[in-house]
Amino acid sequence: ETGVTQTPRHLVMGMTNKKSLKCEQHLGHNAMYWYKQSAKKPLELMFVYSLEERVENNSVPSRFSPECPNSSHLFLHLHTLQPEDSALYLCASSQDLGNNEQFFGPGTRLTVL
Amino acid sequence: QKEVEQNSGPLSVPEGAIASLNCTYSDRGSQSFFWYRQYSGKSPELIMFIYSNGDKEDGRFTAQLNKASQYVSLLIRDSQPSDSATYLCAVEGFQKLVFGTGTRLLVSP
Repeated sequence: ETGVTQTPRHLVMGMTNKKSLKCEQHLGHNAMYWYKQSAKKPLELMFVYSLEERVENNSVPSRFSPECPNSSHLFLHLHTLQPEDSALYLCASSQDLGNNEQFFGPGTRLTVL
Repeated sequence: QKEVEQNSGPLSVPEGAIASLNCTYSDRGSQSFFWYRQYSGKSPELIMFIYSNGDKEDGRFTAQLNKASQYVSLLIRDSQPSDSATYLCAVEGFQKLVFGTGTRLLVSP
């Protein structure tokens, strides 16, 4: 285990559902990230938080809504998703924003029906 | 042009051989470079990072960086079947990492 946990590990949802992904890091890091990983595509950075403040939003559709209540927790709220949103969603953390040694959680495998 | 390019593979090597994984990047200003290993169905795991031109060795792994050629590589000596995985190259961008698509390595017994 890397010190970054994610729940749930698997999620199947319909297009009209609302669900949330949770990430928790136990490393005392100050920066947290959400990535999307689809088959045959590079990891896509979705959101970056530093000390609970969002510093990057990579043109992600509004049906994905992040929340960072403190430096240890990160959520990704999902609503009215599309089948093409099916992917592995990975959370990562690093000591600080400028430190790029990122540690990943196990991911949530999301399937949108 | 992709920001970080890797051959998707698969790269097949016999057990005990040297596996050579390559990565090129487009941003000349990048200063730090990372190699992640990702087993099938698992999340990426950081295995090496390099900041300076030249070689950096850690056990069976050697990272090589040539900033003039914008090229970074990972050598795995004495390859084992357990090294079979996808290897992701990541390059520092502005406050973020930019990843390649990864190279799939298959080590046959």
